[in-house]
Amino acid sequence: AQKITQTQPGMFVQEKEAVTLDCTYDTSDQSYGLFWYKQPSSGEMIFLIYQGSYDEQNATEGRYSLNFQKARKSANLVISASQLGDSAMYFCAMREPSGGGADGLTFGKGTHLIIQP
Amino acid sequence: DSGVTQTPKHLITATGQRVTLRCSPRSGDLSVYWYQQSLDQGLQFLIQYYNGEERAKGNILERFSAQQFPDLHSELNLSSLELGDSALYFCASSEETGGIGDSPLHFGNGTRLTVT
Repeated sequence: AQKITQTQPGMFVQEKEAVTLDCTYDTSDQSYGLFWYKQPSSGEMIFLIYQGSYDEQNATEGRYSLNFQKARKSANLVISASQLGDSAMYFCAMREPSGGGADGLTFGKGTHLIIQP
Repeated sequence: DSGVTQTPKHLITATGQRVTLRCSPRSGDLSVYWYQQSLDQGLQFLIQYYNGEERAKGNILERFSAQQFPDLHSELNLSSLELGDSALYFCASSEETGGIGDSPLHFGNGTRLTVT
């Protein structure tokens, strides 16, 4: 079974609209961390936001917020007031203590977001 | 700028050859990770080193090996290259030593390997 599922391979959104990118995860650990990364066409991986499993409040970083619903194992990324520069691939990732990658990350397959003017 | 440096940026080589990818982690980060990104497999964890010691192995082929040196830079060696090894190879570093801490992985810009 996939650890991280991103069900939207691609999305087209009008500039200035809010965007929600879906992410569900699967873990039997009680403690885990969830991350979102952005990969523009230039290829670099940019860290956006983090949510810990014990954090009671949703994480926010500028225009990015994470809609964390623990019971549903959901960690959606919300981008407010989208901009043309937000066009990129977005990856959801999870860190688990029991993960095979030690303290590394397991990534979803990504969502390709395109912001239209 | 993530502070993680990867060289070279691009590498074109023939099947059967061997290449070495180099990574310098962010100052102070002891953990180094290698990932492979391809269209069909997505981002795959290969291997992690922590302070010179191998810490975890992922989907790393036997033809691939890595090491982390005393100055904490790391090298990924790919040998007997096949067409399917063409991919973007990322190095990332983190200050985390374990658990589920909130320190993200900081990625380099990657090395794009093309095997012809």
